[in-house]
Amino acid sequence: QQQVKQSPQSLIVQKGGIPIINCAYENTAFDYFPWYQQFPGKGPALLIAIRPDVSEKKEGRFTISFNKSAKQFSLHIMDSQPGDSATYFCAARVNSGSARQLTFGSGTQLTVLP
Amino acid sequence: EADIYQTPRYLVIGTGKKITLECSQTMGHDKMYWYQQDPGMELHLIHYSYGVNSTEKGDLSSESTVSRIRTEHFPLTLESARPSHTSQYLCASSDRARQETQYFGPGTRLLVL
Repeated sequence: QQQVKQSPQSLIVQKGGIPIINCAYENTAFDYFPWYQQFPGKGPALLIAIRPDVSEKKEGRFTISFNKSAKQFSLHIMDSQPGDSATYFCAARVNSGSARQLTFGSGTQLTVLP
Repeated sequence: EADIYQTPRYLVIGTGKKITLECSQTMGHDKMYWYQQDPGMELHLIHYSYGVNSTEKGDLSSESTVSRIRTEHFPLTLESARPSHTSQYLCASSDRARQETQYFGPGTRLLVL
């Protein structure tokens, strides 16, 4: 059972475009929603994260929009650059248990053309 | 930049062999994790540890085992590798004070022939 559904699977944009990656969840116990960026041959790295008490968070060119009632959140990349080409994973965490496990989406492979 | 290391980075091995994937972190993190990731697919948690001598199985059933004898070391062992074990294995760690941020190693790509 996939608890976090991510779309699209792949995305191609021109340099300067604004790719948008969407995630949806069902478990209302999720309380933390990070996005990870993964380059080929590397492990994922935390990009930006949001909690459900805010509707938007910006860090540089990256913005998370969060819609609690719709149980959806999305990543926007402003003025995208070829260096942003990577796989992006959304994730969600339940605030229970000592390890606080993350549940990941299936990933979006982003290609930014020069 | 996170200080978490995995060895080997790539491993090709025959069916039936015993293998151990190494993971070490120098950040003093108490929580450590193993994920399995097939190409282009999501990460699945297979093991985690919240401290020395404490290990738990994750959401995805795995025939591998783990141990946590030292804080910095979290090796994963397959007693008898099979082609179905072919995948990428990612190790991660997180801090008690900032549990949300999991720092990942570069991964081990395993191919079982």
